[in-house]
Amino acid sequence: GEDVEQSLFLSVREGDSSVINCTYTDSSSTYLYWYKQEPGAGLQLLTYIFSNMDMKQDQRLTVLLNKKDKHLSLRIADTQTGDSAIYFCAEIANQAGTALIFGKGTTLSVSS
Amino acid sequence: DAGVTQSPTHLIKTRGQHVTLRCSPISGHKSVSWYQQVLGQGPQFIFQYYEKEERGRGNFPDRFSARQFPNYSSELNVNALLLGDSALYLCASSPEGGGETQFFGPGTRLTVL
Repeated sequence: GEDVEQSLFLSVREGDSSVINCTYTDSSSTYLYWYKQEPGAGLQLLTYIFSNMDMKQDQRLTVLLNKKDKHLSLRIADTQTGDSAIYFCAEIANQAGTALIFGKGTTLSVSS
Repeated sequence: DAGVTQSPTHLIKTRGQHVTLRCSPISGHKSVSWYQQVLGQGPQFIFQYYEKEERGRGNFPDRFSARQFPNYSSELNVNALLLGDSALYLCASSPEGGGETQFFGPGTRLTVL
């Protein structure tokens, strides 16, 4: 079955880099996504990567994809207190239309 | 341009009642998906609609139903509410419903007492 797994909690100091990891199971996933959720809010799309890419960089964000190990990571450079939020990794579940399958989310806490 | 909008923001119901949640997609988007997010979990897929037709359905009971209107807005209906239906209900829109990126609204917080 489909399952997306993430570590639940990450704590970093302001200015450090944060790395959030994710493993997925559906090798046929075409796109993989990272969403950010602040308290009481909806999901904000951060970035995505197409399955034929190994890396994508977007300002402070770097996404790495290892298809062989089905491992996805999100690196946030120069982490700020405003980056404190829950980060969700998601893959497309092709067996149910184009549903997104989410992990349980990683809570990132940034201290000053 | 406005993003995905949802109404109401918050809702309190009692067990056994029914509820209707509403969603308006981004202008030009033809597909709407619904997700349920219980506290401490990631969102779970409920339905996807494209051009008023159901495109996909998640593992939810028949108490959950939805529809999409000619203007592409959508309603999610839940009958015979249970305490376990308390959650944040998220709506997402995408241009064509064919695997493109989904953009989420702020959600409706449903509390069932």
